[in-house]
Amino acid sequence: TQLLEQSPQFLSIQEGENLTVYCNSSSVFSSLQWYRQEPGEGPVLLVTVVTGGEVKKLKRLTFQFGDARKDSSLHITAAQPGDTGLYLCAGARNTGKLIFGQGTTLQVKP
Amino acid sequence: EPEVTQTPSHQVTQMGQEVILRCVPISNHLYFYWYRQILGQKVEFLVSFYNNEISEKSEIFDDQFSVERPDGSNFTLKIRSTKLEDSAMYFCASRFGSSNQPQHFGDGTRLSIL
Repeated sequence: TQLLEQSPQFLSIQEGENLTVYCNSSSVFSSLQWYRQEPGEGPVLLVTVVTGGEVKKLKRLTFQFGDARKDSSLHITAAQPGDTGLYLCAGARNTGKLIFGQGTTLQVKP
Repeated sequence: EPEVTQTPSHQVTQMGQEVILRCVPISNHLYFYWYRQILGQKVEFLVSFYNNEISEKSEIFDDQFSVERPDGSNFTLKIRSTKLEDSAMYFCASRFGSSNQPQHFGDGTRLSIL
């Protein structure tokens, strides 16, 4: 069974704080995608990382793919209440199917 | 920006009935997927479809399920003889090219089996 362990599951922080979400697996992925999902909606793509060691930045969000392409992290700098939501990582197998993590529910309090 | 659209947004069906969930993928995409998310659980892969045939399916995708691309735009998931445990959000996704390219998801159909 292919697993992608995402942590933490829940995170409640004050506005302005930094945070990191982790996704770890024993399997190698051809790419890893981060999504954000609002209640009642589908996952919305934030970023795709493909190359081992790759770092991508999206404003205050920094995404990193591990050198071995088995793990990834999402770091948010100076979190804002608008960052509140569910963040999902999903690893892509060579066949294309996505293996999802459990998700991280982030609450940023003003 | 092009998007994946799914209908209906909510389907309520009696146990044992058949349902068809519909998806219109992004128009130039070549790979199509169905995922489901049972309340409180992970999003899980059901099936992938390419070149008018199933390319991969999960253990969940048994004979009760089928997929079809009846024309150039629609992609459907049929569930025959629904069971209570089929209640979930069903998401359609599509992708343009190689497996390194991202999948784009629709907003899902909430299926409730009574």
